[in-house]
Amino acid sequence: NAGVTQTPKFQVLKTGQSMTLQCAQDMNHEYMSWYRQDPGMGLRLIHYSVGAGITDQGEVPNGYNVSRSTTEDFPLRLLSAAPSQTSVYFCASSFVKDRTYGYTFGSGTRLTVV
Amino acid sequence: DAKTTQPPSMDCAEGRAANLPCNHSTISGNEYVYWYRQIHSQGPQYIIHGLKNNETNEMASLIITEDRKSSTLILPHATLRDTAVYYCIVRPRGAGNMLTFGGGTRLMVKP
Repeated sequence: NAGVTQTPKFQVLKTGQSMTLQCAQDMNHEYMSWYRQDPGMGLRLIHYSVGAGITDQGEVPNGYNVSRSTTEDFPLRLLSAAPSQTSVYFCASSFVKDRTYGYTFGSGTRLTVV
Repeated sequence: DAKTTQPPSMDCAEGRAANLPCNHSTISGNEYVYWYRQIHSQGPQYIIHGLKNNETNEMASLIITEDRKSSTLILPHATLRDTAVYYCIVRPRGAGNMLTFGGGTRLMVKP
């Protein structure tokens, strides 16, 4: 049981490049989400999904796209990378109907945009 | 959404109990209090949650005041590995599964 798997662990991009951060979970969780964490700060929600085919915006969605074609995968796309997107990105998942269930987080992707 | 207030940092001696406070004076009746921690830039880790009764698990205890306006996370015998940022979160009503993270408390356990 791998939990939540994020790839890559590290990435350096040039300004204007695009890329996709991958997130996969094997716990049959309906809910998946992406957070970013800037140095010394708390986590901020980017996008989330309550099931396949359903996505919605969080607190800081600009510059990012998501899709949810399967229950297992929830990729995050950076359309045109900017230095302000330098951050650590965390994917998290949980069951939807059980509101008492805790999140499971991935180990993060450390992204630097130069 | 119910907001939480936590001290930015705390110290604790190794082997002693660490008591981390959280104020959530605007909490609604059906909102749970969750605690997570983040060790050195790893992904946050779920610790415990509660509604109105005190809760205990293998990691910690959660004490919620009778009026539910504040809570305390207790690590009974803190170790160096408990050094982390601890987040107190109230799950907002009507927002599905979203969790909103504040600044948290940076707990430093010292030898």
